[in-house]
Amino acid sequence: DVLVTQSPLSLPATLGQPASISCRSSQGLVHSDGDTYLHWFQQRPGQSPRRLIYKVSNRDSGVPDRFSGSGSGTDFTLKISRVEAEDVGIYYCMQGTHWPKTFGQGTKVEIK
Amino acid sequence: EVQLVESGGDLVQPGGSLRLSCAASGFTFSRYWMGWVRQAPGKGLEWVANINQDGSLKYYVDSVKGRFTISRDNSKNSLYLQMNSLRAEDTAVYYCTTDGGYWGQGTLVTVSS
Repeated sequence: DVLVTQSPLSLPATLGQPASISCRSSQGLVHSDGDTYLHWFQQRPGQSPRRLIYKVSNRDSGVPDRFSGSGSGTDFTLKISRVEAEDVGIYYCMQGTHWPKTFGQGTKVEIK
Repeated sequence: EVQLVESGGDLVQPGGSLRLSCAASGFTFSRYWMGWVRQAPGKGLEWVANINQDGSLKYYVDSVKGRFTISRDNSKNSLYLQMNSLRAEDTAVYYCTTDGGYWGQGTLVTVSS
């Protein structure tokens, strides 16, 4: 299975300041169709996961533009340009290129 | 508005069976890959099974192969997960998802004697 490793696992963030989460995969994530199926999810306390970014850098509908995704190959990053209080939660990256789809361990974002 | 509503979660004894259902609305169900993702208490996310639009392709994580069966009924806009030979480690909230884009609220499965 493709191992997906996130860092850090805990991220104390400052309101209004940027924050970033790294995601690395044990194999390249370029699919045979040419797309890279690396996605980012947010899970607020007590809620279902919500996808923020799909295929590396595409924001889902309704996602604030302070969230951005980048990367290629095996190295990916989620950036929050200015952290807001509502961003508290656990963030997961997930690879959907290889079966089984696998998630990172999750990064817990808290406000300092 | 897209809605995915899971049902069927319950307390079941080890070795028992359960069938989860997911009722979809607000989108063209038959056009989407669908999946089940689970989350054990206090743990991360695990993708359990996937099914393509017409049900001809099904994928399972190794830990549930031979025990779980994913299926769908496009005429009823419904997704199912038949779970047999349940184990304590299957205890989790099970989410229905449109291959990651939309998620239900989840249904809790507890396997315990």
